[in-house]
Amino acid sequence: AQSVTQLDSQVPVFEEAPVELRCNYSSSVSVYLFWYVQYPNQGLQLLLKYLSGSTLVKGINGFEAEFNKSQTSFHLRKPSVHISDTAEYFCAVSGHDDYKLSFGAGTTVTVRA
Amino acid sequence: GAGVSQSPSNKVTEKGKDVELRCDPISGHTALYWYRQSLGQGLEFLIYFQGNSAPDKSGLPSDRFSAERTGGSVSTLTIQRTQQEDSAVYLCASSPRQGEAPLHFGNGTRLTVT
Repeated sequence: AQSVTQLDSQVPVFEEAPVELRCNYSSSVSVYLFWYVQYPNQGLQLLLKYLSGSTLVKGINGFEAEFNKSQTSFHLRKPSVHISDTAEYFCAVSGHDDYKLSFGAGTTVTVRA
Repeated sequence: GAGVSQSPSNKVTEKGKDVELRCDPISGHTALYWYRQSLGQGLEFLIYFQGNSAPDKSGLPSDRFSAERTGGSVSTLTIQRTQQEDSAVYLCASSPRQGEAPLHFGNGTRLTVT
């Protein structure tokens, strides 16, 4: 089984500043890693995923994440945020050939002008 | 539409009533999932469909919960004799291939049991 810890429940940030959302996972098997975003009153939208290959993954809306196997981390970053990035962000993990996602508790990002 | 569609978007029901939640996955997607999102519990897996069969129902919280999928497409999640603790957002997701983690989520049905 896998589990995910998102280290920050709330992240306030000013517009055009960088943001990093931290995610650590635990697993006894090789994993796939995901970041989803949920805007108010909407479902989850996939931002990016790591399946294999390059450990630096680029996603939509200017987000990127880096898989660090030794630190069992998959932190999400954006160099310059916009007001429209205000949302809840979920890190998730699954085992290879496993359809079940284990989600973190989520990080609420609030971008202020 | 191009995405996963869920209906209704909101449902308010009285305790003890039955409810049906509907999910239309992306056309051609083999895999379909139901998740529940509630305060204090986060996102929980409920059930996974591979075509019309459900090889994994392990996340259904009680026998009051059931789901079916017909024609390899539409799925219905039914909750019988609803309880207040069933109040949550129920999310449906689909993926093009079986055995793959959910890639596309619907906007969810917000269920409130009074």
